[in-house]
Amino acid sequence: EAQVTQNPRYLITVTGKKLTVTCSQNMNHEYMSWYRQDPGLGLRQIYYSMNVEVTDKGDVPEGYKVSRKEKRNFPLILESPSPNQTSLYFCASSPRGTSGQETQYFGPGTRLLVL
Amino acid sequence: AQSVTQLGSHVSVSEGALVLLRCNYSSSVPPYLFWYVQYPNQGLQLLLKYTSAATLVKGINGFEAEFKKSETSFHLTKPSAHMSDAAEYFCAVSDIVQGGSEKLVFGKGTKLTVNP
Repeated sequence: EAQVTQNPRYLITVTGKKLTVTCSQNMNHEYMSWYRQDPGLGLRQIYYSMNVEVTDKGDVPEGYKVSRKEKRNFPLILESPSPNQTSLYFCASSPRGTSGQETQYFGPGTRLLVL
Repeated sequence: AQSVTQLGSHVSVSEGALVLLRCNYSSSVPPYLFWYVQYPNQGLQLLLKYTSAATLVKGINGFEAEFKKSETSFHLTKPSAHMSDAAEYFCAVSDIVQGGSEKLVFGKGTKLTVNP
């Protein structure tokens, strides 16, 4: 089944404790992206990647890192989480990410609480 | 830069009634527009998209949307609401950023409640 998977689905952590949220897609997509969803703000892009070893900042990249060492994986790293990073995070992918017309396929989300 | 405005953060309808969720966009060029739906505790999935073909776009689950350039609108409708339509709906416009990559710009979402 074609899908985007994220792990963990739920995470409670404390300020300053490094964490990684994994994202994997099995559709051989080149484009992958991370969003955060906050009430009343919709989805905002954190980082995106056009292909292996190619990543770039979205609208709200502060406090986050990403890497793209393999085509299928795009982990989101919070080196020193803070309470304002408490949010619902979504990973998404699309075939190439260059036409503007492609459907993005979303993972199920990771709900993060930083105490 | 492109932007999207969804009028009404909450919409409540009775089962069987018309669903109308409003979306207006700002774009200096012909846009690509999307409606995504998020059911409780799930990720987003595509309902429908406009890519400059027919202005009336039909999507899944009986939803459709009409692109009106003169009104810069892309409102989502469904003739008869079902309880299973209760969800949050996001309108999005596609932008091309530096480097040639696409970017989805989302509205703030509209939560639809369907009353029995």
